[in-house]
Amino acid sequence: IVLTQSPGIVSLSPGERATLSCRASHSVASNYLAWYQQKFGQAPRLLIYGVSTRATGIPDRFSGSGSGTDFTLTISRLEPEDFAVYYCQHYGGSPAYTFGQGTKLEIK
Amino acid sequence: QVQLVESGGGVVQPGGSLRLSCATSGFTFSPSGMRWVRQAPAQGLEWVALIRYNDIKEYADSVEGRFTISRDKSKNTVYLQMNSLTTEDTAVYYCARAGSGGDLDYWGQGTLVTVSS
Repeated sequence: IVLTQSPGIVSLSPGERATLSCRASHSVASNYLAWYQQKFGQAPRLLIYGVSTRATGIPDRFSGSGSGTDFTLTISRLEPEDFAVYYCQHYGGSPAYTFGQGTKLEIK
Repeated sequence: QVQLVESGGGVVQPGGSLRLSCATSGFTFSPSGMRWVRQAPAQGLEWVALIRYNDIKEYADSVEGRFTISRDKSKNTVYLQMNSLTTEDTAVYYCARAGSGGDLDYWGQGTLVTVSS
């Protein structure tokens, strides 16, 4: 499965809503779809797994949704610390893990 | 708390070898799956290798036959032996724990491997 994220870069202001897309080349039947946040110089941090389950300690302004080939990460009200790069990831098949190319969320 | 600490990165010449280590703590290591993921400079994330709870191993095509993942359950440590390195292997290498939903729920801070003559 190839994951394509859009947009590549999105510019928004704190307080706005962010909608990030991840499209799979084939249907994701297993719900093994996750989202990560990566800030500059840091390791990725798990946000969402199983399409829509927030990881431990993740604020409820982050939500995941979707099915089949189209998935979305929504950040309801952007906080200054949310500006980062976001990756979607699928598990299963060959290769075992695939990542999208990332969406950079920058301050407008 | 869960901690993963990588070590062993550095500068190596093309064709050389390097062994990365990932020391873990704060969780039960033996039944956990472990993964290595890398990130080339200014690039995205690429899965490299995995070792399952039952010690089954899988590799990305780009490293198959050159890299070997292993673990020492007595030391709660996972390793990545990297041979026949090329410049395309230059990256930050992260170890990560396999989560329950096909995710990677905890990550180390990464170790930088630079392949250069």
